[in-house]
Amino acid sequence: KQEVTQIPAALSVPEGENLVLNCSFTDSAIYNLQWFRQDPGKGLTSLLLIQSSQREQTSGRLNASLDKSSGRSTLYIAASQPGDSATYLCAVRSRDDKIIFGKGTRLHILP
Amino acid sequence: GAGVSQSPSNKVTEKGKDVELRCDPISGHTALYWYRQSLGQGLEFLIYFQGNSAPDKSGLPSDRFSAERTGGSVSTLTIQRTQQEDSAVYLCASSLAHGYEQYFGPGTRLTVT
Repeated sequence: KQEVTQIPAALSVPEGENLVLNCSFTDSAIYNLQWFRQDPGKGLTSLLLIQSSQREQTSGRLNASLDKSSGRSTLYIAASQPGDSATYLCAVRSRDDKIIFGKGTRLHILP
Repeated sequence: GAGVSQSPSNKVTEKGKDVELRCDPISGHTALYWYRQSLGQGLEFLIYFQGNSAPDKSGLPSDRFSAERTGGSVSTLTIQRTQQEDSAVYLCASSLAHGYEQYFGPGTRLTVT
């Protein structure tokens, strides 16, 4: 059974710093992995989708990497801003075709 | 219609009553997903539709939960004989096809009293 873990559960970082969020999964046979952000009381906003054949995806200040063999993905945020404060979730599409989410990392950027 | 819409945004119901939650996906998206997010828990995958068919219903937590999608567009999630543990935010998402990038609606907050 696929399990997705995100560590740390919460993170506070001064504005302007670069940071890395981690996502690990137990079954490396995935189709893809997607990173989302969720603002309080809101739905999820898609950030990046990485197919299993890809190693990384970039969008603006965000870069997501995927190492399928080790069951890990990272989301790198450059030059963090207060508006980046949110909960960041990763989700894998597992080989049994289910979408499994991690519990998220609550990120707080300190002005 | 720009994004995924869900209705109602909030629903308070008494224990034992049935509720219906509605999701309007992005036009042209063939895949539609339902998730549940409980307080302090992660997102729980419930069911997805590719077109009108629901390939996998095993994520539904009990037989009180059912979902349908007619005409390849709007979907309804029905919870019969609601229980307090059903209280959660129910999120719907759609994508161009299964496995493509998912776009989420704002959710329906269900409170069972």
